[in-house]
Amino acid sequence: DTAVSQTPKYLVTQMGNDKSIKCEQNLGHDTMYWYKQDSKKFLKIMFSYNNKELIINETVPNRFSPKSPDKAHLNLHINSLELGDSAVYFCASSQESRGNSPLHFGNGTRLTVT
Amino acid sequence: AQTVTQSQPEMSVQEAETVTLSCTYDTSESDYYLFWYKQPPSRQMILVIRQEAYKQQNATENRFSVNFQKAAKSFSLKISDSQLGDAAMYFCAYRLNTGKLIFGQGTTLQVKP
Repeated sequence: DTAVSQTPKYLVTQMGNDKSIKCEQNLGHDTMYWYKQDSKKFLKIMFSYNNKELIINETVPNRFSPKSPDKAHLNLHINSLELGDSAVYFCASSQESRGNSPLHFGNGTRLTVT
Repeated sequence: AQTVTQSQPEMSVQEAETVTLSCTYDTSESDYYLFWYKQPPSRQMILVIRQEAYKQQNATENRFSVNFQKAAKSFSLKISDSQLGDAAMYFCAYRLNTGKLIFGQGTTLQVKP
C-alpha cells in the first residue's frame, strides 16, 4: 500500500498549458506539502497545508495554486506553464506540522514543459 | 536566514568500508530537528535518520549513525559497512519551528564493489 501517492508520474506538456498534479496520503497525517526539485537536485518547499488550512506559502508565482479538499489530499494546479517550471514535484505528508515527525514523500512527478 | 550546507557534492566508498557525509547548518533557534534523507536513482525520498537538537545522544539506526555537534552546528552522517544499495544522493535537512523543512544541496554517494 502506497502511503503517499501522486499522479501522474510523468507529465509532458507545452508552454502555456494548464496542468494539475494530484496527491493523496493514507497515513492519517494532518499536514501535507509540495516541494520542487530542480535540475540541480535542490529541494525547496512551495506550500504546506495543515488540516486543509494553508500554513506555508513560499515565494511561488501565483500561477501555482494548491488545493486541499480534505486533509488526505493536496493537489497542485499550475496555470500558463513556462519552461522554467520543468522540475520534479514532490508531495509529502507528516503527522504534525512541527517537531520531529518526519516527512513521508511521494515518488515525485517529473514535469517537462516544451 | 536558516541555511543547510553540504560541502561534499560527491563521495565514494569501497563496499564494506565506512564513510562520513558532512552537513553544517546555520540557525539562531535553540530547539530544532535534523534529518538525513536518501534519494536513490528511483527518485524516492527515504528517511534515513533524525535527531532532536535537545538530545545530546547521537541517533543511530542500524548501520547509520550521526555525529551531532550542537555548538559547531554540525550534523554528519556515518555509514558503516557500506553496501551497494547505499549508493544514492543524501540530503541533510533542518526543520524550523514553523515546520518548514530546509534541505542541503545533497551529496552523491558512490559505492564501489
